[in-house]
Amino acid sequence: DIVMTQSPDSLAVSLGERATINCKSSQSILYNSNNKNYLAWYQHKPGQPPKLLISWASTRESGVPDRFSGSGSGTDFTLTITSLQAEDVAFYYCQQYYDVLRTFGQGTKVEIK
Amino acid sequence: EVQLVESGGGLVQPGGSLRLSCGASGFIFSYYWMHWVRQVPGEGLVWVSRINLNGSSTDYADSVKGRFTISRDNAKNTLYLQMDSLRAEDTGVYFCARVADGYTYDHWGQGTQVTVSS
Repeated sequence: DIVMTQSPDSLAVSLGERATINCKSSQSILYNSNNKNYLAWYQHKPGQPPKLLISWASTRESGVPDRFSGSGSGTDFTLTITSLQAEDVAFYYCQQYYDVLRTFGQGTKVEIK
Repeated sequence: EVQLVESGGGLVQPGGSLRLSCGASGFIFSYYWMHWVRQVPGEGLVWVSRINLNGSSTDYADSVKGRFTISRDNAKNTLYLQMDSLRAEDTGVYFCARVADGYTYDHWGQGTQVTVSS
């Protein structure tokens, strides 16, 4: 199975400041034939279903604020929230869909400092 | 409006069984692959299983293989997860999720709580 490892496990950021979450896969999730990274980022707030933020490592979903951005390739990826807002307090998960057996990172809890 | 509604969760003893259901509405259910994902306390989101359009192909996480069975009834617009030989580590909130483009989840249910405890 592809193991996804996120860092940090939690972070506290002041309102309006930048939050950066890293995700590392145990093997490359870049599919060479189409040059796409098979990675998504989800936001999960307690009591709600998860929400898709980013697909293909860097494609923001419709309706997702542009303060959310994804980057990276191969095995190393980053989710950046520029100018953190109160409503961004949540858990964030990366997930690979390169392999049949999908795997998530362990999650990163984002809080307000 | 796309809706996914899970049911069937509850408290069960170790070794017991539960059958989860996920009722779908607002879209053509038979056009979409479906997955089950669980939220485990202290672990986060964990992928459980997936099923193709007509139910002929299924896959499972190693942790549930041989104990869980995913199925679907396209005539009833319903996804199922039969869970047997339940263990304490199966405790969590179980979500069904629709696969949008063959890869990512664009819609999720609200989840159903499963607690395995004596």
